[in-house]
Amino acid sequence: NAGVMQNPRHLVRRRGQEARLRCSPMKGHSHVYWYRQLPEEGLKFMVYLQKENIIDESGMPKERFSAEFPKEGPSILRIQQVVRGDSAAYFCASSPGLSNEKLFFGSGTQLSVL
Amino acid sequence: GENVEQHPSTLSVQEGDSAVIKCTYSDSASNYFPWYKQELGKRPQLIIDIRSNVGEKKDQRIAVTLNKTAKHFSLHITETQPEDSAVYFCAASKNTGTASKLTFGTGTRLQVTL
Repeated sequence: NAGVMQNPRHLVRRRGQEARLRCSPMKGHSHVYWYRQLPEEGLKFMVYLQKENIIDESGMPKERFSAEFPKEGPSILRIQQVVRGDSAAYFCASSPGLSNEKLFFGSGTQLSVL
Repeated sequence: GENVEQHPSTLSVQEGDSAVIKCTYSDSASNYFPWYKQELGKRPQLIIDIRSNVGEKKDQRIAVTLNKTAKHFSLHITETQPEDSAVYFCAASKNTGTASKLTFGTGTRLQVTL
C-alpha cells in the first residue's frame, strides 16, 4: 500500500511564474489536506478537500492560491504569480474519512522562488 | 479557532534520560491529539495519538497524557536514544462530523546526546 505521494519533490520557479504541486492520497483515503511549513516553523493548515469539494479553505491566501481534488487524478495546489515569500515546504496529508482523523503525510514539495 | 502552544522549543537530553514535551490548546471542544515526529528533510510521521475519552496512552518508550480540565497534553519519551533526535509536533483537532483539520504546535527540537 503506497503512502501519500507528492510530486515534484523539489520545484524551482522564478517570480511571476506558476507552481503546480500534486498529491495522490493513500489508497482508500478520500480526504486530502494541504499544509505549508516555513523553515524552522510548524505546519500551517491551508485547505481541506474531499473528491470534487473544498471543505475548508480558511488557511489559504485569498489571492493567487487555489486547490482542487478532481474525481479522477491527484489533488493539485496551484500558486499563480509566485513571490519569494511563497518559498516553503508544502505537505499534503490524507485520511480515510470523517470517523478516522489520523493524517498521513507525503514527503512534501520544496518550493523555491528565485 | 484553535490555538496550540508547545514548549520547550528546544530540548537536549543525554542518551538514556527521559524527555517531556508539553502542549496546551485553547478550544475545549478539541477531542483528538496526535504527536508527529519529523526528521530533517523528511515527512512528519505519526508516532502516537490520544482521544479525549482517555487520560493516558503508552506505546513502548513513548507515552502521552491528557488533562482535559487544564487543556494540556504531554509527550513522554523514556530511555532516549540518538535516533529519537528530531522535531516533535503536537496537534489538536475536533471531529464534528464535517471537518477535522489539525492545528499544530510550533515544534520541539529534541537532541539526544551520547
